[in-house]
Amino acid sequence: KNEVEQSPQNLTAQEGEFITINCSYSVGISALHWLQQHPGGGIVSLFMLSSGKKKHGRLIATINIQEKHSSLHITASHPRDSAVYICAVGLIYGGSQGNLIFGKGTKLSVKP
Amino acid sequence: NAGVTQTPKFQVLKTGQSMTLQCAQDMNHNSMYWYRQDPGMGLRLIYYSASEGTTDKGEVPNGYNVSRLNKREFSLRLESAAPSQTSVYFCASMRRLTGDTEAFFGQGTRLTVV
Repeated sequence: KNEVEQSPQNLTAQEGEFITINCSYSVGISALHWLQQHPGGGIVSLFMLSSGKKKHGRLIATINIQEKHSSLHITASHPRDSAVYICAVGLIYGGSQGNLIFGKGTKLSVKP
Repeated sequence: NAGVTQTPKFQVLKTGQSMTLQCAQDMNHNSMYWYRQDPGMGLRLIYYSASEGTTDKGEVPNGYNVSRLNKREFSLRLESAAPSQTSVYFCASMRRLTGDTEAFFGQGTRLTVV
């Protein structure tokens, strides 16, 4: 059961490139989260969105509720953006999985 | 504000040893969670606590116990560690907004069982 699918699994980019990471889900959700995890580091929440689009600096997150799809875009990528990006969906009702179901993550490496 | 604090950051155990992972949050959240993260897999829920005094099993609870000591603290105990429990463990606390859930994670505990 892969209720949250991310693509690609791995992504290598050159500094300055525009990057897109995709997330598709198959369950009813209350919100979708984009998280960032640096190598050996903790997990930081980037965005939580339930409709439309959000922007923070060079990061943009969009969601299409009808298509059950979200994208995370990074403009003018930089080596410090190298991290694992995780998509997680908030369930309307919890249960044994709690409130969030996580994708497997997209490992991004930005080369100088 | 510290947010979510986990200790220790790293630990090596021998098979059969026990240990407790500590987690504390200073945001007055009701809900707290323990996840494990393994290569090639998404975070999987071990146990969660919807409020002080309550705990529930998640997706992968076998081999673990938890205690919600008070509203701030939620600990995870391995009674008899096994190599299969080698993983990175994350504690999280969450706040229910109107229909949404805001999540805050600790720095993780990297556990190796040999």
